[in-house]
Amino acid sequence: QKEVEQDPGPLSVPEGAIVSLNCTYSNSAFQYFMWYRQYSRKGPELLMYTYSSGNKEDGRFTAQVDKSSKYISLFIRDSQPSDSATYLCAMSARQAGTALIFGKGTTLSVSS
Amino acid sequence: DTGVSQNPRHKITKRGQNVTFRCDPISEHNRLYWYRQTLGQGPEFLTYFQNEAQLEKSRLLSDRFSAERPKGSFSTLEIQRTEQGDSAMYLCASSFSGGNDYEQYFGPGTRLTVT
Repeated sequence: QKEVEQDPGPLSVPEGAIVSLNCTYSNSAFQYFMWYRQYSRKGPELLMYTYSSGNKEDGRFTAQVDKSSKYISLFIRDSQPSDSATYLCAMSARQAGTALIFGKGTTLSVSS
Repeated sequence: DTGVSQNPRHKITKRGQNVTFRCDPISEHNRLYWYRQTLGQGPEFLTYFQNEAQLEKSRLLSDRFSAERPKGSFSTLEIQRTEQGDSAMYLCASSFSGGNDYEQYFGPGTRLTVT
């Protein structure tokens, strides 16, 4: 079993839909949770960061962490064609100077 | 552009040859990371530097791989005697200790194809 599991999709939605992306993990030491967006043939770009459990909102994006279930989510409201990309969850046990453990990524396609 | 830069962007080499990649981090960032990403997978950690010191290496980093950051600025990743399994995207990231260190900023990557 990999430390971080993420459904690779692909996920196809119409413009304006609410998108839910999820990851599960097995290492209870993880405390820092990130979501990255990666466009084709580009490097990952940090979208959201959450420490421990709880919710965090940034514009159309909401990140949720449920440490008791070892489950994290990213919600995208009013999805746009420009949101079409691969979304990677990443986690670490320490805040500083540590490797990030990534999921496989979920490929999202938003059609206009 | 003040982001992380990587060169070359693409490299095609024959099996058995040596290759070297370069990463220039964001100028004030003292931490630098190398990751490898294969098709359909997330990035996998290879190694990490704080300033010029290599502080952590993954078991993925075989003896054929070596990384340096001689003056705590740019870094190089060398692969000796390349194998077809080395074909991947090699990503560099940097962060600033003392800031939000979880914010690792990634470069565009170097895509390696071993024929």
